[in-house]
Amino acid sequence: DAKTTQPTSMDCAEGRAANLPCNHSTISGNEYVYWYRQIHSQGPQYIIHGLKNNETNEMASLIITEDRKSSTLILPHATLRDTAVYYCIVRVEGGGADGLTFGKGTHLIIQP
Amino acid sequence: DTEVTQTPKHLVMGMTNKKSLKCEQHMGHRAMYWYKQKAKKPPELMFVYSYEKLSINESVPSRFSPECPNSSLLNLHLHALQPEDSALYLCASSPSGTRERYGYTFGSGTRLTVV
Repeated sequence: DAKTTQPTSMDCAEGRAANLPCNHSTISGNEYVYWYRQIHSQGPQYIIHGLKNNETNEMASLIITEDRKSSTLILPHATLRDTAVYYCIVRVEGGGADGLTFGKGTHLIIQP
Repeated sequence: DTEVTQTPKHLVMGMTNKKSLKCEQHMGHRAMYWYKQKAKKPPELMFVYSYEKLSINESVPSRFSPECPNSSLLNLHLHALQPEDSALYLCASSPSGTRERYGYTFGSGTRLTVV
């Protein structure tokens, strides 16, 4: 799996959009960008994933640059419950049971 | 049922004890995983079971012994652990061999303390 680079921590005001960047300059053509988050003392939770088109679901939006070397996870209206560590992972979709490899992630703190 | 259930939620054990962690899912997922997570660190993969067979062991010490009795159940047997093994142990499952439309599903973990 390609490696990713994320900021260690970010702050965002409650009610504002939280934009979390991820660099993955060595991503391969068949690798997807996945985002998970881990709220304190819970297991990681899947958020969204995409290949090259922008994706949106009920939790977030994923914007992938045209060259696919970076992406941004957007939480449109952040709440205090969105305070968590956010992990960006690149891997082949349906890549088999090889396990996810987590980097250090971004600790997002939503301020009231 | 869209959950992975782990029991117990908390466990304190002595270094000479034998204990087991249990993980259960009823989503029809055919791959199950054990992760270890130390404080302020990302989860680290320990074992992978695919179709009830151990497919990946990330050089985990033998004092950790995984078992997959059936496609819904995953156990982690613990024996002669050290205090440095204290951590959050996470179980996950995924639909191996099919599109991971919804990604991996994780349990809430077992908080293990070795005294």
